[in-house]
Amino acid sequence: DGGITQSPKYLFRKEGQNVTLSCEQNLNHDAMYWYRQDPGQGLRLIYYSQIVNDFQKGDIAEGYSVSREKKESFPLTVTSAQKNPTAFYLCASSTSAGSYEQYFGPGTRLTVT
Amino acid sequence: DAKTTQPTSMDCAEGRAANLPCNHSTISGNEYVYWYRQIHSQGPQYIIHGLKNNETNEMASLIITEDRKSSTLILPHATLRDTAVYYCIVRVANFGNEKLTFGTGTRLTIIP
Repeated sequence: DGGITQSPKYLFRKEGQNVTLSCEQNLNHDAMYWYRQDPGQGLRLIYYSQIVNDFQKGDIAEGYSVSREKKESFPLTVTSAQKNPTAFYLCASSTSAGSYEQYFGPGTRLTVT
Repeated sequence: DAKTTQPTSMDCAEGRAANLPCNHSTISGNEYVYWYRQIHSQGPQYIIHGLKNNETNEMASLIITEDRKSSTLILPHATLRDTAVYYCIVRVANFGNEKLTFGTGTRLTIIP
């Protein structure tokens, strides 16, 4: 089955620790995205990548970092510099042609205490 | 991207058609209407999109008014699994316009 996988589903960390969230897709999509969702809110774009070895900041990139070494993978690191890291993190991918609809993974719920 | 307005919440009886409205009065000629839904604690799911013609797929139908200032998503035979938050998004579909701006959407509850 083609799709996007995110792991783990739930993640707990202590304040001051960096943590990396995994996102893998086997849809052969060129573009990948990371969003953050807070309770009762819409999604906010953190970073996106249109092609391997290239990525751009979204609206709330501060305190986050990404890499895109492979087409299939787009890991997100939440650093200790992120002031409010507890949130639901969603990864998505899309083609670079056609109607560009984005397909989302199941999400990772990160809790930092 | 154009702003959209949706009702905060709606109820629909199971088995009936659910009609979810969206206003996008400032839509531009090259902007598409997209619909996504998000079931609690899951990632959003793409449903359908259109430019100016009505569209139908296995999940839903999308009716766009002739002036394109509003649209309606129709779930023809709602089931309990259709309970979710539904988002209407208007955006230009091109490479380089990556951001999906999700508002607060419509919380649809299907009543048994």
